[in-house]
Amino acid sequence: GAGVSQSPSNKVTEKGKDVELRCDPISGHTALYWYRQSLGQGLEFLIYFQGNSAPDKSGLPSDRFSAERTGGSVSTLTIQRTQQEDSAVYLCASSLARGIRGASSYEQYFGPGTRLTVT
Amino acid sequence: GEDVEQSLFLSVREGDSSVINCTYTDSSSTYLYWYKQEPGAGLQLLTYIFSNMDMKQDQRLTVLLNKKDKHLSLRIADTQTGDSAIYFCAERGFSGGYNKLIFGAGTRLAVHP
Repeated sequence: GAGVSQSPSNKVTEKGKDVELRCDPISGHTALYWYRQSLGQGLEFLIYFQGNSAPDKSGLPSDRFSAERTGGSVSTLTIQRTQQEDSAVYLCASSLARGIRGASSYEQYFGPGTRLTVT
Repeated sequence: GEDVEQSLFLSVREGDSSVINCTYTDSSSTYLYWYKQEPGAGLQLLTYIFSNMDMKQDQRLTVLLNKKDKHLSLRIADTQTGDSAIYFCAERGFSGGYNKLIFGAGTRLAVHP
């Protein structure tokens, strides 16, 4: 597609259930990021994938959160045993490779997000 | 540590200028960004400025950077109702061998007639 897509757009789940959120980055973008946006908060960095390198998981809030990226393209963010505080909009972004000079080459293109509500 | 702060809300009258302010802490930041988020949508890059610049103008948008005070501002001239959105300031850090953006909490701009 032309942009970053995410699915589902909305997800309502019961506390304690597992959820999977999907991100399809822009074709050719080797870098993929997951962020969380809670109400009234900024963007909280969760995890970063770059090519075949080991992902940077430093932003994951707990071991209930995990993510994978298959074939260097589609990524899935999994939240196990969801809690009410997990309710937020989860945003995915992709960009060209790291380490390239110039801000424009580093521009992150964002998907529309998945709104997760844990009841 | 890295931190970006913004005021949370700004209300302006249509046709007036809007000024959204941001402060950051990482003095090594090379690029600073302004993103716009319209309701129900993801973030879209509006403009950016390199740290060796003081000002950048792009049509109705003017970015001012005071590197000494680590202060960034976005001025929108002739603000229109379509400018109503959340505006995020971000600084570019470098950690673990890659570039990372640190975002502020966002400033909600409300434009009223």
